Amino acid sequence: DGGITQSPKYLFRKEGQNVTLSCEQNLNHDAMYWYRQDPGQGLRLIYYSQIVNDFQKGDIAEGYSVSREKKESFPLTVTSAQKNPTAFYLCASSIGRGRIGTEAFFGQGTRLTVV
Amino acid sequence: AQSVTQPDIHITVSEGASLELRCNYSYGATPYLFWYVQSPGQGLQLLLKYFSGDTLVQGIKGFEAEFKRSQSSFNLRKPSVHWSDAAEYFCAVGEGMDSSYKLIFGSGTRLLVRP
Repeated sequence: DGGITQSPKYLFRKEGQNVTLSCEQNLNHDAMYWYRQDPGQGLRLIYYSQIVNDFQKGDIAEGYSVSREKKESFPLTVTSAQKNPTAFYLCASSIGRGRIGTEAFFGQGTRLTVV
Repeated sequence: AQSVTQPDIHITVSEGASLELRCNYSYGATPYLFWYVQSPGQGLQLLLKYFSGDTLVQGIKGFEAEFKRSQSSFNLRKPSVHWSDAAEYFCAVGEGMDSSYKLIFGSGTRLLVRP
């Protein structure tokens, strides 16, 4: 089945540690996105990438890092610099290739909790 | 930058009653508009989208939305709500050109359905 796979579903992190959230897609989409969701705040864009080896900061990139070495994969690292990392993280993809106006397809999310 | 406002945080309707969820967007030359639904702890599913043409858009699960340029609105409607419609609903707008294209989301409206 084509889709977006996020892993793990639940992740616990100790303060001061870096953690990496996985996002893989087999939809042959060029564009991928990472959003953070907090209650009452909707989805806020962390990073996005329209093409391999290129990515751009979203509205809340501080304390996060990404890489896009393969078209299928867009991992997100939550670093120790992120002061309040407990949240629900959603990965998405869209066709891209300069085609604006397209919708995004979402994974099932990763819930990160700092303990 | 474009923005999306969903003025209602929570809405409660009785099963079988009609529903309208409000969405307002900031000015954009050609707005690309979307409605998504999210069940608890899950990713987002696309309900419908508007790019151009007919201002009344039909989506999945019996939902429709009407684009009104004069009011900068894209309200979601359903004539008869089912208990399974209880979820959180997000309005989104596509922003940017080519490599900077991304989706900006509203803060969401949580729908509760009374038996």
